[in-house]
Amino acid sequence: DADVTQTPRNRITKTGKRIMLECSQTKGHDRMYWYRQDPGLGLRLIYYSFDVKDINKGEISDGYSVSRQAQAKFSLSLESAIPNQTALYFCATSDFGTSHEQFFGPGTRLTVL
Amino acid sequence: ELKVEQNPLFLSMQEGKNYTIYCNYSTTSDRLYWYRQDPGKSLESLFVLLSNGAVKQEGRLMASLDTKARLSTLHITAAVHDLSATYFCAVDMGKTSYDKVIFGPGTSLSVIP
Repeated sequence: DADVTQTPRNRITKTGKRIMLECSQTKGHDRMYWYRQDPGLGLRLIYYSFDVKDINKGEISDGYSVSRQAQAKFSLSLESAIPNQTALYFCATSDFGTSHEQFFGPGTRLTVL
Repeated sequence: ELKVEQNPLFLSMQEGKNYTIYCNYSTTSDRLYWYRQDPGKSLESLFVLLSNGAVKQEGRLMASLDTKARLSTLHITAAVHDLSATYFCAVDMGKTSYDKVIFGPGTSLSVIP
């Protein structure tokens, strides 16, 4: 089984809808991240969490919210989706005290019509 | 604000040739990562560079880090088609902030027979 999983893998939704993207990990890492990827822009950090009680905004948090339900679960919500949130979303994890190398999930392709 | 730049952004090279991808960053950091992304896939960690002068090699790829110049290089030796992918460098902001990682825009490499 994959160490970092994301659900759903693909999602098409309409403007104004609320959606949630979920991430689970079995690596035992304490740190989790949400990124979005747009062509030509690399990855941009949306939110990150260093433990269940610590959640921080990244570069582009407007329009997004997150929940760290447990050490292994980190969810990203779009309260009212808009077309420019169409992107590929990645969850990642890293371990405190080591190299901080990040391990990525398979991604969720989100389309907002 | 930390900025991470990569050069070139697009690279088309013939099999058997050598080339170097450059990653420049704008503030102090001694942790840098290289990732590979195949089309439609997630990011795979290639190298973790944790100090000035660090050099890592894996197959036809070699990465180095010069923290004084704020420069990392990814050198490709005798390219083969299987190396076609997008390569990202990512810089850890380390002690200047939380351990957030900022990604470069990526270098799209195409190796032509």
